[in-house]
Amino acid sequence: DAKTTQPNSMESNEEEPVHLPCNHSTISGTDYIHWYRQLPSQGPEYVIHGLTSNVNNRMASLAIAEDRKSSTLILHRATLRDAAVYYCIPRAGTAGGTSYGKLTFGQGTILTVHP
Amino acid sequence: ETGVTQSPTHLIKTRGQQVTLRCSSQSGHNTVSWYQQALGQGPQFIFQYYREEENGRGNFPPRFSGLQFPNYSSELNVNALELDDSALYLCASSLPGLANEQFFGPGTRLTVL
Repeated sequence: DAKTTQPNSMESNEEEPVHLPCNHSTISGTDYIHWYRQLPSQGPEYVIHGLTSNVNNRMASLAIAEDRKSSTLILHRATLRDAAVYYCIPRAGTAGGTSYGKLTFGQGTILTVHP
Repeated sequence: ETGVTQSPTHLIKTRGQQVTLRCSSQSGHNTVSWYQQALGQGPQFIFQYYREEENGRGNFPPRFSGLQFPNYSSELNVNALELDDSALYLCASSLPGLANEQFFGPGTRLTVL
């Protein structure tokens, strides 16, 4: 499994943009980059994923470095509801090995949003 | 369309006992994965079931076992409970495909005394 490095914690003010970085220098060429978040007292929820190109959805944007060794999750306008632990997860996109499509969670980044 | 549900919500057991946790997958999802989340840690993959067969396993001993039923609901069984088994147990369902998102339930909080 590819190793990831994320800041332990970050803080933001409400309605400001938030950029959550992730280093995944050992990622393989076929690994997707997934982001999940876990709100307090809830199970994780999917945020976004991408392979090579930048991706946008209703929740966030994902910017992927050209060498794919890092990525940044962008929350365009943070709300109090975005306070959560954010996990960056490289995930196999092809069969084989022992991936089984599992999610390998690291420690994640604790995002605090101030009113 | 209902989401992933888990039962019970909370459970207290004593060391050496056995426990069964249950998970109902989201409609149409035939793949269920189980995770263990210790306090302050990220979830750790236990195993995955696809069409009633174990499809992959993480670094957990054989006393962690599971089942998947024809309706794709699933059970996690843990025998000979140890204190370190105290954790939040999460199940997640998904469609086939290694990159498809997983939909998580709220979890079962297990406390072993």
